Amino acid sequence: EVQLVESGGGLVQPGGSLRLSCAASGFTFSNYWMSWVRQAPGKGPEWVANINQDESKIYYVDSVKGRFTISRDTAKNSLYLQMNSLRAEDTAVYYCARGGVTGNYYLDYWGQGTVVTVSS
Amino acid sequence: DIQMTQSPSTLSASVGDRVTITCRASQSINSWLAWYQQKPGKAPKLLIYDASSLESGVPSRFSGSGSGTEFTLTISSLQPDDFATYYCQQYNNYWTFGQGTKVEIK
Repeated sequence: EVQLVESGGGLVQPGGSLRLSCAASGFTFSNYWMSWVRQAPGKGPEWVANINQDESKIYYVDSVKGRFTISRDTAKNSLYLQMNSLRAEDTAVYYCARGGVTGNYYLDYWGQGTVVTVSS
Repeated sequence: DIQMTQSPSTLSASVGDRVTITCRASQSINSWLAWYQQKPGKAPKLLIYDASSLESGVPSRFSGSGSGTEFTLTISSLQPDDFATYYCQQYNNYWTFGQGTKVEIK
């Protein structure tokens, strides 16, 4: 059974940092693109970042470029999102999701999400 | 950037109704479109991918169609479990979601 379990969310002040983690199991992690998607309260999902299998292709939504860094550790079957210079508008539920084996992909499995609140 | 526009934003329907949701892309995305269902407090769930392919385990009352810039999600006979919010997502050029369509009880 495919499982994605996020952790690392919490309350942080504007300008602060957080590191989200996603533990993957039930599939061959190294074969898949992985994504972070966020959803602000009362809003639709917003794609945040993608990473391919060997970390040679990484993409970000414009609003987080230069502040967020996606990475992965195949040995630990884990995906990460380092978030720096956080802003109030980054407040959201952050989901880890599994992509495909090629660059054009949908998201077939999602974690339960971790809540990030940016507030003073 | 590719923009995705869903209509309607809210849809009131009864059990047994046929329901259609439309998603329009600001430029052609071929058939690189997925549909998701989301219930309160839960993660989105994949229903349809590549515009018309049904994800494994999803009931056959769900179907998708379209290509290019206009797409539809159809629920042939609405069931109590289907009251939820539905999102389209393009994956032709990066990844963009629509703003959602809430299907509520009439």
